Amino acid sequence: GAGVSQSPSNKVTEKGKDVELRCDPISGHTALYWYRQSLGQGLEFLIYFQGNSAPDKSGLPSDRFSAERTGGSVSTLTIQRTQQEDSAVYLCASSSPLGGGGNEQFFGPGTRLTVL
Amino acid sequence: DAKTTQPTSMDCAEGRAANLPCNHSTISGNEYVYWYRQIHSQGPQYIIHGLKNNETNEMASLIITEDRKSSTLILPHATLRDTAVYYCIVRVLNTNAGKSTFGDGTTLTVKP
Repeated sequence: GAGVSQSPSNKVTEKGKDVELRCDPISGHTALYWYRQSLGQGLEFLIYFQGNSAPDKSGLPSDRFSAERTGGSVSTLTIQRTQQEDSAVYLCASSSPLGGGGNEQFFGPGTRLTVL
Repeated sequence: DAKTTQPTSMDCAEGRAANLPCNHSTISGNEYVYWYRQIHSQGPQYIIHGLKNNETNEMASLIITEDRKSSTLILPHATLRDTAVYYCIVRVLNTNAGKSTFGDGTTLTVKP
């Protein structure tokens, strides 16, 4: 079946603008995660959804960052008033304990955000 | 989640086995060891996971020490396409496992 998809693949924006990043998880996966990866760095956790609720928002770096998930499926990460330090690859992953799997996370290709 | 430590980088000759170590000395009894890899400009890819027994799949083998404080990922016949950053993480195996803490991983370079 289809994997995790993210859009857009690349986004260039001007400082101060708002951006929305979209994640379509694997169908049936109840958990969804957002991570951020700056150039040459490891993954930085942002937020985790179980269904439509977000029990762990501890990684969101500031109140300019927010995320929502509707219908237990698609998620949108919104960054308001973008800053240059927001430039990074934003990765989405989904997981499910069902189907005999090991609750491993399946990652999308990421959205590369560049703030000028 | 327990913290893991990995060497920053490793080299391996093409066709030889690549053995990537990971220390997780503070692992809890209900935490599994997971390995992922990230090839340049792609999202991380799941490789394998285990609790205490050694595991093998079509991609790799995972050897976990008896005390579970460390593990080794083995790529039996490394190819150039195995050049990537390899992440070792630990997390519980349930629906509410929440976030995974990814460190900086090991950059494996497979050389001809």
